[in-house]
Amino acid sequence: EVQLVESGGDFVQPGGSLRLSCAASGFTFSSHAMSWVRQAPGKGLEWVSALSGIGNDAYYADSVKGRFTVSRDNSKNTLFLQINSLRAEDTAIYYCAKSAPGSFRSDYWGQGTLVTVSS
Amino acid sequence: EIVMTQSPATLPVSPGERATLSCRASQTVNSNLAWYQQKPGQAPRLLIYGASTRATGIPARFSGSGSGTEFTLTISSLQSEDFAVYYCHHYNNWPPYTFGQGTKLEIK
Repeated sequence: EVQLVESGGDFVQPGGSLRLSCAASGFTFSSHAMSWVRQAPGKGLEWVSALSGIGNDAYYADSVKGRFTVSRDNSKNTLFLQINSLRAEDTAIYYCAKSAPGSFRSDYWGQGTLVTVSS
Repeated sequence: EIVMTQSPATLPVSPGERATLSCRASQTVNSNLAWYQQKPGQAPRLLIYGASTRATGIPARFSGSGSGTEFTLTISSLQSEDFAVYYCHHYNNWPPYTFGQGTKLEIK
């Protein structure tokens, strides 16, 4: 059974940093691209970032480019999202999602971790 | 960036009736289009991929159609558990892989 468990969300001040983690199990982690998607309170889904299975191709939404860095440790089946220079508009639930083979289509999602940015 | 536009924003439908949700892409996404269902407090769940293929375990009352820029999600006979928010999402070629703004299916 595919399981994705996010952690690392917290209450932080503007300008702060956080590192989100997503622990994966139930599939061959290194064979699948992974993505981060966020959802601000009461709003829709926003694609944030994606990373290829071996970690050599990373993609970002314009709204986070230069501030967010996605990475993975395939030896530990874990996906990361380093988020710097946090802004109030980054407040959201951050979901990690597993991609289907050979695609960036997300087929399984974790339950998310909440990031709140406020002074 | 490809903009995904869903309509309507809210759709009131009675249980047992048919619901038709639309999604339009600002440029072609071929058939690289997925539909997700999200209930309050839950993560999104994949319903349809490749514009028309049901994901594992999804009931046959859910169907998807379209290609290029125009897509439709149809729920043939609404059950109580189907009232939720539905998102379309493209994963064509290059990112960003944008989502539509969602359609909320509510009980009429």
